[in-house]
Amino acid sequence: GQQLNQSPQSMFIQEGEDVSMNCTSSSIFNTWLWYKQDPGEGPVLLIALYKAGELTSNGRLTAQFGITRKDSFLNISASIPSDVGIYFCAGRPRTSGTYKYIFGTGTRLKVLA
Amino acid sequence: GAVVSQHPSWVICKSGTSVKIECRSLDFQATTMFWYRQFPKQSLMLMATSNEGSKATYEQGVEKDKFLINHASLTLSTLTVTSAHPEDSSFYICSASPFLGPDSPLHFGNGTRLTVT
Repeated sequence: GQQLNQSPQSMFIQEGEDVSMNCTSSSIFNTWLWYKQDPGEGPVLLIALYKAGELTSNGRLTAQFGITRKDSFLNISASIPSDVGIYFCAGRPRTSGTYKYIFGTGTRLKVLA
Repeated sequence: GAVVSQHPSWVICKSGTSVKIECRSLDFQATTMFWYRQFPKQSLMLMATSNEGSKATYEQGVEKDKFLINHASLTLSTLTVTSAHPEDSSFYICSASPFLGPDSPLHFGNGTRLTVT
């Protein structure tokens, strides 16, 4: 199935550092969602974006819907050990006749205390 | 709000047997639910869209006779893996939304780890 390109694939950072990751596509998306998944659990919704250029925050997390509607970014400020996990972006293509979402390849984040 | 519950959280079965996984929306009604499959260290792949009161829509490459989906009520969808084989071992996750529209994010269950021996 179709997937979104997400980068970086993984990253090790020091506690307190800021983190940035992004998701890109060759096609236009109407909606971008960002999720965090812990081992053995389902993804948990972090932020939802619905308009091009939209910038939305959820605590230390900030996500943006790219102006071109082909990308999205997630930033985590002042990382803490519990930020460890896999972060997925999910997008709903403009051409989608239903409400199906395509998921990114994931970014594995490890925070070193 | 928007809680999705899955049962069981894990199951081990013998090759050739069938396994049923339940997905429930606890505090909302869902005419549509989505079933995903996730292999270790990989992303989520959509298997099928479950529609209340009608047939499920399967993604390309997903065998509908192998993965039977039933959405008998507005709060329950079931996925049955028939004649399971070791290659069916995976993490199965369902999702739903309180409403289906342009601004409707998906909420996921906690997943079911299936191991076929």
